[in-house]
Amino acid sequence: GAVVSQHPSRVICKSGTSVKIECRSLDFQATTMFWYRQFPKQSLMLMATSNEGSKATYEQGVEKDKFLINHASLTLSTLTVTSAHPEDSSFYICSAPHRGTNYGYTFGSGTRLTVV
Amino acid sequence: SQQGEEDPQALSIQEGENATMNCSYKTSINNLQWYRQNSGRGLVHLILIRSNEREKHSGRLRVTLDTSKKSSSLLITASRAADTASYFCATPSNDYKLSFGAGTTVTVRA
Repeated sequence: GAVVSQHPSRVICKSGTSVKIECRSLDFQATTMFWYRQFPKQSLMLMATSNEGSKATYEQGVEKDKFLINHASLTLSTLTVTSAHPEDSSFYICSAPHRGTNYGYTFGSGTRLTVV
Repeated sequence: SQQGEEDPQALSIQEGENATMNCSYKTSINNLQWYRQNSGRGLVHLILIRSNEREKHSGRLRVTLDTSKKSSSLLITASRAADTASYFCATPSNDYKLSFGAGTTVTVRA
């Protein structure tokens, strides 16, 4: 089945630094990748949608300069948390609808970001 | 954005018992999907039910859909310790975005 590989699984960084999270589609081409954020014991909140070869679209309230998304190829989408602060600590997950909306989506395994 | 509510928020059952959780949504849908999330992990797709279907089975899972009430239920039969996880319903919009319910945390006691 379709697999989305997400790295790193865990990262601890200092305040003010930037962190890059990668999601790779291993056996399919992901023209679209969704990025979610999840706080403990809460549901997933959509942050942004990345589309290969075009600018990402961000949900209301998500700072595009804070969360930089790049989707330079059909198999790689990246999320960079810039100038991270403790409040950015969260679980970030990517997802790709590899067969359209009438099939289940494939999710990455998630990245636990802790900013100290 | 979140589509709706799920209940219960948490469920604790004995191994071998059945677990039922419900999901409500707000807008019209083409399909409704159920996902499982183990602690600290990504989501795994369990089952998808289309808007013209009323019930669907997959192994020990049974999903129902009532479009008139905008609700769905997920039943896990003969639960196992490995079923301990959070379960989310989700609906896709026309622009492929998935909206998730609040989730139900299921704990299966050995």
